[in-house]
Amino acid sequence: ETGVTQTPRHLVMGMTNKKSLKCEQHLGHNAMYWYKQSAKKPLELMFVYSLEERVENNSVPSRFSPECPNSSHLFLHLHTLQPEDSALYLCASSLEAQKGGEKLFFGSGTQLSVL
Amino acid sequence: RKEVEQDPGPFNVPEGATVAFNCTYSNSASQSFFWYRQDCRKEPKLLMSVYSSGNEDGRFTAQLNRASQYISLLIRDSKLSDSATYLCVVNMGTNTGFQKLVFGTGTRLLVSP
Repeated sequence: ETGVTQTPRHLVMGMTNKKSLKCEQHLGHNAMYWYKQSAKKPLELMFVYSLEERVENNSVPSRFSPECPNSSHLFLHLHTLQPEDSALYLCASSLEAQKGGEKLFFGSGTQLSVL
Repeated sequence: RKEVEQDPGPFNVPEGATVAFNCTYSNSASQSFFWYRQDCRKEPKLLMSVYSSGNEDGRFTAQLNRASQYISLLIRDSKLSDSATYLCVVNMGTNTGFQKLVFGTGTRLLVSP
């Protein structure tokens, strides 16, 4: 409905697994974002991509690896995660990433549980 | 001090009541401000932007006080469907010129019949 589609909706993985989260936007936007939302905590910005180029990495551990092959697709590759990484991972897009107060359109999120 | 601070609530109000939320921010250079709404187990959605002159959208009024570094959201004539978490969002910007939206933890509103 928002034009941003995330898959899967739910993911359970062990600490030794490797998985990927996928995000696709159909809005013609140039900027895409990954956010993490843990219980009782505010949304935390993880990565920002502008025209497929990473422009912000908010001190995220290397076990999270983003990939943006084009302006419509964004991936988050996960490996050797920890139980504290369990959270809702939200993808978002905006028209531009420049400082200008652009409205964010969020996907429905992937609820991740790390066992 | 947190970059964006909100009272987590919950605010329990009856239908028809008027309720107000405040949010404070730490960076005086912040340029743009928003209120997002997040329903349980759903993604956040933009409710309204907050302009220096204040703005109103139906039953919702947002105001900005730069001197005191806070923004507010007023909801009049509350409806059951207003029950949600309201997220205060501030664009802090980055050194590279890209926007960095910082979210508060949200204020939970419960409207009862």
